[in-house]
Amino acid sequence: AAGVIQSPRHLIKEKRETATLKCYPIPRHDTVYWYQQGPGQDPQFLISFYEKMQSDKGSIPDRFSAQQFSDYHSELNMSSLELGDSALYFCASSFQSGGPTYEQYFGPGTRLTVT
Amino acid sequence: AQSVSQHNHHVILSEAASLELGCNYSYGGTVNLFWYVQYPGQHLQLLLKYFSGDPLVKGIKGFEAEFIKSKFSFNLRKPSVQWSDTAEYFCAVNGRDTGRRALTFGSGTRLQVQP
Repeated sequence: AAGVIQSPRHLIKEKRETATLKCYPIPRHDTVYWYQQGPGQDPQFLISFYEKMQSDKGSIPDRFSAQQFSDYHSELNMSSLELGDSALYFCASSFQSGGPTYEQYFGPGTRLTVT
Repeated sequence: AQSVSQHNHHVILSEAASLELGCNYSYGGTVNLFWYVQYPGQHLQLLLKYFSGDPLVKGIKGFEAEFIKSKFSFNLRKPSVQWSDTAEYFCAVNGRDTGRRALTFGSGTRLQVQP
């Protein structure tokens, strides 16, 4: 079965640079979530999109922005990178229109290292 | 605000031992409950979920969990662990009635199974 695809899998950037992470949800899934998992920490919700509109917002820094495109893939744009942004960034997708179960399927993550 | 507490941060067991990982949640409404597993270097995988109905739910790989509404708990159990169960386990919750579909995770429990 198709899974959530994230690219790139690994990314190394320097401080103050920008980064773009991409997420391709499972086909027919209409909702995308972004989570950030710092070293040894639990995943923290950043932002989500339903049918290409922002549906919820968590602890996303103002330096970050995201959007969902017409093909339902999503991109997380990160600017003015800081050392503390080094983390594993997960994307998850779900089929929200199918009912209230809200089961999310996670991608393999993008490991961002800021030097 | 919703929160999830996992009381065991690091558990070490021998193979064939029984496992119970505690999870308590705080949420002002009806919840969906999940347990995810993260094997070393891998992404989050859904072990099991509870939405409604029978409070004892069975998941993959012989895991089960019991939802006790009066205790706001959703403990994970396995009668006999294997070395391959070594991983980090996350309890998570989202809301059924508020529309807040983003997952709130507990801090995770690192399980180490010794052969």
